[in-house]
This record gives sequence, C-alpha cells and structure tokens, in this order.
Amino acid sequence: KAGVTQTPRYLIKTRGQQVTLSCSPISGHRSVSWYQQTPGQGLQFLFEYFSETQRNKGNFPGRFSGRQFSNSRSEMNVSTLELGDSALYLCASSLDGTSGTYEQYFGPGTRLTVT
Amino acid sequence: AQSVTQLDSQVPVFEEAPVELRCNYSSSVSVYLFWYVQYPNQGLQLLLKYLSGSTLVKGINGFEAEFNKSQTSFHLRKPSVHISDTAEYFCAVSAPGYSSASKIIFGSGTRLSIRP
Repeated sequence: KAGVTQTPRYLIKTRGQQVTLSCSPISGHRSVSWYQQTPGQGLQFLFEYFSETQRNKGNFPGRFSGRQFSNSRSEMNVSTLELGDSALYLCASSLDGTSGTYEQYFGPGTRLTVT
Repeated sequence: AQSVTQLDSQVPVFEEAPVELRCNYSSSVSVYLFWYVQYPNQGLQLLLKYLSGSTLVKGINGFEAEFNKSQTSFHLRKPSVHISDTAEYFCAVSAPGYSSASKIIFGSGTRLSIRP
C-alpha cells in the first residue's frame, strides 16, 4: 500500500500571500489530521477531518482552514501568510478514527517558508 | 487532562552503546502510549505502542519500551544503537474512548545523535 503523500514538499511564499497544501491518505483511510511542527512549539494539532466533515479544530486563527473530499484527500489553506507560519505541516491518516487506539500514519510533510 | 514530558531534549550516544529515552505522562484515566520516530526531512513513523496487556512492548528497529504505571513512565530503550538511529523521537499519550487526533498529546521530542 502506498503511504500518505503530501504535495508540495517545499514551498516558499511571501507575507500576505495564501497557500494550499494537499494530502492524500492511505487507501481506505477515512480520517485525515493536520499538524504544524515548529522548533519552538513542537507538534500542534490543526484540525481533523472524517468523511468530509471537520471533526475537531485546534487553537489556530481562522486564517487556517481545510477541507476533505469524497475520496478522503484533504487540503489545508492558509491565507494572509505571516512569518510565524513558517513550519513543517504534517498530514496523518487513520483508518476510521473510531477504533479508540488512533494509530496514525504520517506523510513526509510540506516545509513552508514565509519570507 | 493529560500531559507528557520528555525529560531530555538531546541525547548523544556512541555507536553500539545502549540508550534510554525518557518519557513521563500525567493522566487521571487509563492511557494509550506511543513512541514515534522522525528522521530528517521526513514525517513521523510509529515505533511502538502500548494499549493494554504486557507492560514490555517491542517495536521496530530493535526498540522496546516499558510501561510503568506506578512511575507513570514509558521509557524507550535500545541495547545497541546504530548511526541510522539518528533522529528525533516523540512520546505521545491518548486515552481509550478518545478516538480523535485532537486528544493525542505529543511530547516535545528528544533528539538522539549517534557518535561513531
């Protein structure tokens, strides 16, 4: 089975621009979560989608949004980029999110640099 | 509420030496515990997990961890490390019944560097 894929792997944007990141989960997985990873804050939960519905959202401003499509692929969007948005954005997929063990499989991440 | 503390931000070890990466958690309910590894420029990969049963859990790449309820710890060990083990290691905790990524708490990570 192919793993979780994320595109693009690297991205450079300037302040004020917007960006869209894409994540394709493992085939058959219906739950996708997004995390922001920075040296100072570590791994922070952004949001979680299951069957095209946002199930949970972390403590991030409204500039961060996402969606999930019927094929379980997910996108996240950041508008009006700020320097502090520079980070590694990780996507993780899980089978259905209801097993209780919540074993996640992570993609390689998208490295976003805002200048 | 749950929390997890990784006591060492960096651990330098010589090749073929044993290593222990420490993880302590806090929770008022029963827990699930995980160790993930992140190699440079990659995402997180699950090393091992404790859900229930035997307190000694064996994972991939020769790693193992022991769940100690009385000390609220879940330390990761390897008897002999290799250069390829150079990576960042994350401990994470969640709880039965909380089947959501938002309920998984990650530690701040321990950077393991292997010296030849």
